[in-house]
Amino acid sequence: GQNIDQPTEMTATEGAIVQINCTYQTSGFNGLFWYQQHAGEAPTFLSYNVLDGLEEKGRFSSFLSRSKGYSYLLLKELQMKDSASYLCAVRDGSDYKLSFGAGTTVTVRA
Amino acid sequence: GAGVSQSPSNKVTEKGKDVELRCDPISGHTALYWYRQSLGQGLEFLIYFQGNSAPDKSGLPSDRFSAERTGGSVSTLTIQRTQQEDSAVYLCASGTSSGELFFGEGSRLTVL
Repeated sequence: GQNIDQPTEMTATEGAIVQINCTYQTSGFNGLFWYQQHAGEAPTFLSYNVLDGLEEKGRFSSFLSRSKGYSYLLLKELQMKDSASYLCAVRDGSDYKLSFGAGTTVTVRA
Repeated sequence: GAGVSQSPSNKVTEKGKDVELRCDPISGHTALYWYRQSLGQGLEFLIYFQGNSAPDKSGLPSDRFSAERTGGSVSTLTIQRTQQEDSAVYLCASGTSSGELFFGEGSRLTVL
């Protein structure tokens, strides 16, 4: 099974940088995903890491260390619209089942 | 359609009634998930279908909950004898075995 931990809440100022950490313990691993979910809406895909290192996509970057069971999502140049819940998800290596963490609610203040 | 479609979008029912929630996944997607989300909470895994394999039902909270997927496509989640604690948004997602998941807009269930 999977055990996925991420902070419950984070607050940051518009224009700043925020890093959301995710640690996981898994019996098998086949990739880590980050999703964004605005209040009242369905989650949408942000990033995917399967190999160690940093994946950059515009203002968002995601990092993975498989040996440490650790990932982070980095949000740069924060905008008010980035206020949302960010979900870390790990895919199992045997049955490809995707398990989600509880999510981190990010609040961006002016 | 282009995305995952769920129906109904909203359902209000009385305690003790049965409800059926439907999910039309993206064509060709082999993986289909049902999740439940209560207000302000994370995604609670319910059930996972992958191709022709036996579904992973480990997340179903009680035997009042069941789901099926016909022809490897449309899925129905059935809740029998609904209780007030069943009130939540039920999200369906589909994807390929190696790719990202695409979520539907959810079915909001309210049990009075």
